[in-house]
Amino acid sequence: GAVVSQHPSRVICKSGTSVKIECRSLDFQATTMFWYRQFPKQSLMLMATSNEGSKATYEQGVEKDKFLINHASLTLSTLTVTSAHPEDSSFYICSARDRTRTGGVYEQYFGPGTRLTVT
Amino acid sequence: GEDVEQSLFLSVREGDSSVINCTYTDSSSTYLYWYKQEPGAGLQLLTYIFSNMDMKQDQRLTVLLNKKDKHLSLRIADTQTGDSAIYFCAESIEGDQKVTFGIGTKLQVIP
Repeated sequence: GAVVSQHPSRVICKSGTSVKIECRSLDFQATTMFWYRQFPKQSLMLMATSNEGSKATYEQGVEKDKFLINHASLTLSTLTVTSAHPEDSSFYICSARDRTRTGGVYEQYFGPGTRLTVT
Repeated sequence: GEDVEQSLFLSVREGDSSVINCTYTDSSSTYLYWYKQEPGAGLQLLTYIFSNMDMKQDQRLTVLLNKKDKHLSLRIADTQTGDSAIYFCAESIEGDQKVTFGIGTKLQVIP
């Protein structure tokens, strides 16, 4: 159980175009999903917290107009990188919390990640 | 702010024990986690420990917490080649959904 999928797994796009990445919780409902960015040999950097039915909460330094997040249902959140540039090339990982699990242990189930390359 | 630090690399021989260390700065950390990331994949939660615990053991994994020194370690007994991965230490605070990750320790298991 607790499987999170991401699509696509790998994408190459031209500079100036937009790319949408999907994150789905396959066998549970997630009221909260998280989007991370991971650079080579670096830790995960939390970009934003996505709550179903409301606006995402962005971390300091993350441009909300560039990284559009939509969490339209309890099983789907999308991240759109608008007007992508080579510096946006990175590994983007989403995670989700199972809404049925309560308590302070914020166990997050991670997707396999999406490798974005902007040429 | 929160800060979680780990060494970057550890190499061990198959069958030996591996010990991955982590230090954190936030004394109000309530939960501490160890995640495993295999190449090209997302993170998998291995284990977690509450800040009021000193030790937790789960099969080959032993987590030790020294709250006074803000030091967390993960011991993997009888390390196997399948344990080769990057291991992330992470922490969160009660009431806050945000989890702060360390930089990750790459474990290389030599056959």
